[in-house]
Parts: sequence; C-alpha cells; structure tokens
Amino acid sequence: AQSVTQLGSHVSVSEGALVLLRCNYSSSVPPYLFWYVQYPNQGLQLLLKYTTGATLVKGINGFEAEFKKSETSFHLTKPSAHMSDAAEYFCAVTPSNDYKLSFGAGTTVTVRA
Amino acid sequence: EPEVTQTPSHQVTQMGQEVILRCVPISNHLYFYWYRQILGQKVEFLVSFYNNEISEKSEIFDDQFSVERPDGSNFTLKIRSTKLEDSAMYFCASMGRLEGEQFFGPGTRLTVL
Repeated sequence: AQSVTQLGSHVSVSEGALVLLRCNYSSSVPPYLFWYVQYPNQGLQLLLKYTTGATLVKGINGFEAEFKKSETSFHLTKPSAHMSDAAEYFCAVTPSNDYKLSFGAGTTVTVRA
Repeated sequence: EPEVTQTPSHQVTQMGQEVILRCVPISNHLYFYWYRQILGQKVEFLVSFYNNEISEKSEIFDDQFSVERPDGSNFTLKIRSTKLEDSAMYFCASMGRLEGEQFFGPGTRLTVL
C-alpha cells in the first residue's frame, strides 16, 4: 500500500521568496511520484513527475522536486514565488506497477505582495 | 491543446436518485480513471478502466457505482442510488500510455440533498 503525507496544510510566502512544500511517501514497491497544482475551479494540472533516472526533476512554472529515497521524500521547491503561484498543491504517489494515484491532503499556497 | 472535459460542472440530486457523470477523455488515450474529493478531504481513487474493462477499483467503488465507455469517446460514472455521503467533486482522468501523465478534467461537483 502507498500513502502520502504533506506537512503543512497552508503555506504563506512573500513574493520573490522561496517556496518549499514538503511531501513524504510510503510505498511497498518503487514509487512514481507527482506534484499537481489546482487553481480555483479548475482540474488538477501536472507540475512534474519522477519515475526513474535523475532524482532532481524540473517541472513547469519554475518548480522542481528532488526524490530522496533514503528520506522517502519528494519536496517541491521554487526559488522565487510569484503571485500566480497561489493555488493548492497535491503530492501523489503510485506504485511503478500500476497507476492508481494516492494523493496527499494538499497544501494551499498564498503569496503576499 | 487537447483536454479532458466533464459535464455537468455541477449536479444537484435527491438522495436515492441515479446520476450519470460524463467525461470525454483525450481522444487517443487508453487508460481512464475516476477520482473523487469530498470537501476538505483528500482526492481519492475510485476506479481505473482499460481495454473496456475495470482494471482496479477501490473499496469506495461498491455495487452502487458503475463505469462505461459507451461509444469510444465518452467515459461515464453512474451512481445508481445516491447517498448524502456521495456529495463530492468527481474528477475524470485519462492517460495515453504507461509511465505517462494522467490528465484531469475540471471536475463535476455532485450535491446530494
């Protein structure tokens, strides 16, 4: 079975500051890991994913995440927050042998001017 | 850019009534999913569908739920006799290939009165 824990249901950052969203997972088989973003009244949009290979993955809108197997983590970062980054962010995991996504509870990001 | 669409955007129904939620996946995709998100809770996997049959279903997906791909373009979720606890946002997703990305629709908000 797999599960995801996102630390912090709400993160507030100043415009231009670092965004760090934490995600820890558990999986009984090698995981595939994802970060999705949800803007108000919209569906889930993929930011980035890790399947195999390079552990530092870059996504859209300047976001990146690093897979750390020893820490069972997949934290999401962006060096400089923009007002348009205000949204809800979901970390998700699926075993590498199927594609049933298990989501974390989500982290709402607000960006202060 | 191709996208997953869902109709209706909001459905209000009386307890015990049948509802059908409709999804049009991206046209060349082969793998289809339904997820739901009860207000304030995690996004939860309901069912996956491939090659005209259910691949996997969660314990939520009981006999009251069914899925169908009736005409090669639509992908529907039917709830036969709705309960109050079925009130949630229902997301459809499709994926073109294994190790690909699940593309999510904007969701249907189901309200059971």
